[in-house]
Amino acid sequence: QLQLQESGPGLVKPSETLSLTCTVSGGSISSSSYHWGWIRQPPGKGLEWIGGIHYSGSTYYNPSLKSRVTISVDTSKNQFSLKLSSVTAADTAVYYCARHRAAAGIGYWGQGTLVTVSS
Amino acid sequence: QTVVTQEPSFSVSPGGTVTLTCGLSSGSVSASYYPSWYQQTPGQAPRTLIYSTNSRSSGVPDRFSGSILGNKAALTITGAQADDESDYYCVLYMGSGIYVFGTGTKVTVL
Repeated sequence: QLQLQESGPGLVKPSETLSLTCTVSGGSISSSSYHWGWIRQPPGKGLEWIGGIHYSGSTYYNPSLKSRVTISVDTSKNQFSLKLSSVTAADTAVYYCARHRAAAGIGYWGQGTLVTVSS
Repeated sequence: QTVVTQEPSFSVSPGGTVTLTCGLSSGSVSASYYPSWYQQTPGQAPRTLIYSTNSRSSGVPDRFSGSILGNKAALTITGAQADDESDYYCVLYMGSGIYVFGTGTKVTVL
């Protein structure tokens, strides 16, 4: 059974860079059929797709966040990562990693990790 | 900026039927957007219900069904149960690797 687990600091200071890693177990991140993505949800609000990556390194970003987002993949560790720069309080959210493909939807989700932006 | 719209809230009686919709701020939703639907209860990660318009995810009861109704994607709950009370989100695939979430619908069963 495929499992995804987010890890990283739960508290980030304003203007700094948020960094999270997703570790994939029970399957290979090097599957050609899928993309690996990040999704977030501010407290009490809806879900927002941040971006995704294919194991080949091709990346896809939400246009509204593109200038601040970098997603990378480490196939040797079966992990992929999110960096979000210049964070503000508006970036406080639960961040989920996920596996997705257009024709299969977002099939697997991590449990989510709360990141708070505060000094 | 593409906006994917959903009804803010719906109320349904136990055993009743409710249809949630997922539309585009400009244009029509078709199967080429691979609409998918997710259920989320407070404090939990979303659960995948429907993908590719009308394919039910593994373990999802058949009272959940997806379709295209007119110019929108739709999720129908037939025979609503108390534990269907949740937030529901649709997602559309916009092409070029880009996905957009809908605004979400809160469903109350009472």
